[in-house]
Amino acid sequence: GAVVSQHPSRVICKSGTSVKIECRSLDFQATTMFWYRQFPKQSLMLMATSNEGSKATYEQGVEKDKFLINHASLTLSTLTVTSAHPEDSSFYICSAMGGRSEAFFGQGTRLTVV
Amino acid sequence: QKEVEQDPGPLSVPEGAIVSLNCTYSNSAFQYFMWYRQYSRKGPELLMYTYSSGNKEDGRFTAQVDKSSKYISLFIRDSQPSDSATYLCAIVRGSARQLTFGSGTQLTVLP
Repeated sequence: GAVVSQHPSRVICKSGTSVKIECRSLDFQATTMFWYRQFPKQSLMLMATSNEGSKATYEQGVEKDKFLINHASLTLSTLTVTSAHPEDSSFYICSAMGGRSEAFFGQGTRLTVV
Repeated sequence: QKEVEQDPGPLSVPEGAIVSLNCTYSNSAFQYFMWYRQYSRKGPELLMYTYSSGNKEDGRFTAQVDKSSKYISLFIRDSQPSDSATYLCAIVRGSARQLTFGSGTQLTVLP
């Protein structure tokens, strides 16, 4: 399968700071990338869908000013958690999709806000 | 009503058992169905996907879709301890092909 690299795998930040998470498709062009959030022992909840070169589409209840998504190229999307608070602590996962109906997932980023 | 619902488990079976994992979905228009496996603190990995109805087999894994009852299943034969993970069903929706996941079933295969 195709490879999606997500970085960093773990990050701890202070409350009030911003954190950027990168998602890269290494061997294919990702026309669409998705960002998910997963709480312990719960399923993945879609936060937003981004297409290269256009604004992301956010799911209901997700603050777009807090979770900034940029999809500037066909191989890179970034999620920036702005002014992070402890309740933003979670497991964030990206997935990337090219021309097939198959999404490949990154390894996830565990964010802890202290 | 949720778009996809999954038996929450947890499920514990002895090594070698046949495992049955199940989900139901609400919208008969859904055509693509996915099964993912997720190990602890890792991203999900695609196991199998099926289009429309019927069975699909890949090694020890069989995915089954029954569109009349809106029921999808994943069977694991000769289960191994390495199969211990959380299994997530997902439906593909919309032109953007977004995934909606079930809640996941945590499976433990005991040696």
